[in-house]
Amino acid sequence: DAGVTQSPTHLIKTRGQQVTLRCSPKSGHDTVSWYQQALGQGPQFIFQYYEEEERQRGNFPDRFSGHQFPNYSSELNVNALLLGDSALYLCASSFATGVTDTQYFGPGTRLTVL
Amino acid sequence: AQSVTQLGSHVSVSEGALVLLRCNYSSSVPPYLFWYVQYPNQGLQLLLKYTTGATLVKGINGFEAEFKKSETSFHLTKPSAHMSDAAEYFCAVRHKTSYDKVIFGPGTSLSVIP
Repeated sequence: DAGVTQSPTHLIKTRGQQVTLRCSPKSGHDTVSWYQQALGQGPQFIFQYYEEEERQRGNFPDRFSGHQFPNYSSELNVNALLLGDSALYLCASSFATGVTDTQYFGPGTRLTVL
Repeated sequence: AQSVTQLGSHVSVSEGALVLLRCNYSSSVPPYLFWYVQYPNQGLQLLLKYTTGATLVKGINGFEAEFKKSETSFHLTKPSAHMSDAAEYFCAVRHKTSYDKVIFGPGTSLSVIP
């Protein structure tokens, strides 16, 4: 049973560019959450997708957007990249039972903005 | 608003010694509580979680944590540290709604001295 997978593993971009990160959830999971983890810090919640819609959003600007596909996979898009966007981006999946949807994390995508 | 504090950004223990990593949360109602571990250049792995019921929770790799409502704490312990326990540990909370975001603490880096 494959866990949460993310691609690519590493990415280097320059300021002003746009980037798309991808996530495939754990088998049987229907909810995908995205987190940004800056160096030396805990993950910060970006947003969560369920039934192809953004269900909740953290304190991130509109430059951060996402999408969920019918197969539950998800993309995170970041426009007009800033140096401060350099971080590890983590995808987490869960099954929205409405009770204790424990989130399982992927290995992350390391984004470096130059 | 929910928040998580972890006392001690760095903790060093000798191999075979007790591991104690502290976590306190702030929430209007008792949330769901989690401990995650992150090894270098990897995603987060769930160690254990508290939802309801018994306040002493056992997790993987010999770790356990106790939920103390009166102290709003969820400290992580392991009786005997192994070299392989060296990693970053994150305490996290989630409100008891069906889809609320997970709030992470800043993390504690555990070093194990041979």
